[in-house]
Amino acid sequence: DQQVKQNSPSLSVQEGRISILNCDYTNSMFDYFLWYKKYPAEGPTFLISISSIKDKNEDGRFTVFLNKSAKHLSLHIVPSQPGDSAVYFCASTSGGAQKLVFGQGTRLTINP
Amino acid sequence: SAVISQKPSRDICQRGTSLTIQCQVDSQVTMMFWYRQQPGQSLTLIATANQGSEATYESGFVIDKFPISRPNLTFSTLTVSNMSPEDSSIYLCSVDLNRGYNEQFFGPGTRLTVL
Repeated sequence: DQQVKQNSPSLSVQEGRISILNCDYTNSMFDYFLWYKKYPAEGPTFLISISSIKDKNEDGRFTVFLNKSAKHLSLHIVPSQPGDSAVYFCASTSGGAQKLVFGQGTRLTINP
Repeated sequence: SAVISQKPSRDICQRGTSLTIQCQVDSQVTMMFWYRQQPGQSLTLIATANQGSEATYESGFVIDKFPISRPNLTFSTLTVSNMSPEDSSIYLCSVDLNRGYNEQFFGPGTRLTVL
């Protein structure tokens, strides 16, 4: 039972353009959502998060959008830079349970 | 954030043996977590380790296979027991800094290969 799904295993974007990574979830109890970035041979690094009481959160080049009715969230990176090339995981949690449920990840490649 | 280190960074082991992975944090934390990332898969929580209490295991993971110690607020170990090739994964520890935002900070991971 995959409660958090990232249906695109990979994404290739030109430098300077917008990268959009998508994530869907099935558990209506999830109330907090996070994005992590992972480089090879390193642990995941927290990027940005959003509470279910919001529909948008912005931090510099990174914006996360949450559509609760569609159970869908997306991460926008503008403008995309070569250093953004990594695997991106979305994760969800509920009720302050601390347990994070992760998606399968999307490998983002930024082309010069 | 927190600085988290893991030892070993990688290992190659024979089936039937056990490996203990160490996780060290540079600050005192109440909650530590152990995750597994099998090849091409997402991160899956193995157990939550709180200092002073028994670890809480997720469905599909048992203490006999993955015993955990949490002797103090900055350190934890995970042992992978009686290993088989199916245990080949990246094992990661993480911490919650208890700031109320649910973010967890991860160590660099231990890449385990079982032959």
